[in-house]
Amino acid sequence: ELKVEQNPLFLSMQEGKNYTIYCNYSTTSDRLYWYRQDPGKSLESLFVLLSNGAVKQEGRLMASLDTKARLSTLHITAAVHDLSATYFCAVDRTNFGNEKLTFGTGTRLTIIP
Amino acid sequence: DTAVSQTPKYLVTQMGNDKSIKCEQNLGHDTMYWYKQDSKKFLKIMFSYNNKELIINETVPNRFSPKSPDKAHLNLHINSLELGDSAVYFCASSQRRTATNEKLFFGSGTQLSVL
Repeated sequence: ELKVEQNPLFLSMQEGKNYTIYCNYSTTSDRLYWYRQDPGKSLESLFVLLSNGAVKQEGRLMASLDTKARLSTLHITAAVHDLSATYFCAVDRTNFGNEKLTFGTGTRLTIIP
Repeated sequence: DTAVSQTPKYLVTQMGNDKSIKCEQNLGHDTMYWYKQDSKKFLKIMFSYNNKELIINETVPNRFSPKSPDKAHLNLHINSLELGDSAVYFCASSQRRTATNEKLFFGSGTQLSVL
């Protein structure tokens, strides 16, 4: 059974600092997604990573994928309060799209002024 | 226009009741899903439908019955509700293809509380 683990589960950081969230998964997959969820809200897609070495950046967030290590990272640069949310990675079990996405445990990020 | 809309947003009911949650997407997607998010925020897929056909049923009790009248709608009916059914249920949709980078579009969620 595919397992997807994120760490840390909770992260409190000051504005302006950098940090990285890690996502490890247990079986081979070439497709990894990052989602953001604000409290009481729905999930919003951030990144789709489709191959080994893929790197995507949007604003202060950068995601990367190492399929050999079965590891993805979400790096936050110079954090701002608006980035406070829960971040989920999700791995596709079948490499056939979204049908068998397994979500990670989530990382609840709080940015402190 | 909301891309994936689900109703109701909140649902409070007694144990043993039967309830339904409705979901509609206006994105023209072929595939729709139901996910359950528990109190620890863990998200797990329940069902997936492609063009009205069930393609994933992830060991969900048969008290849960999805129904897809057309590819733009996927409703979830729950019989004999139990305390453990309390959770947030998310509907989602995507365009199903192989070798795709399509992402999931989620509805706003239905918070179900069983008393």
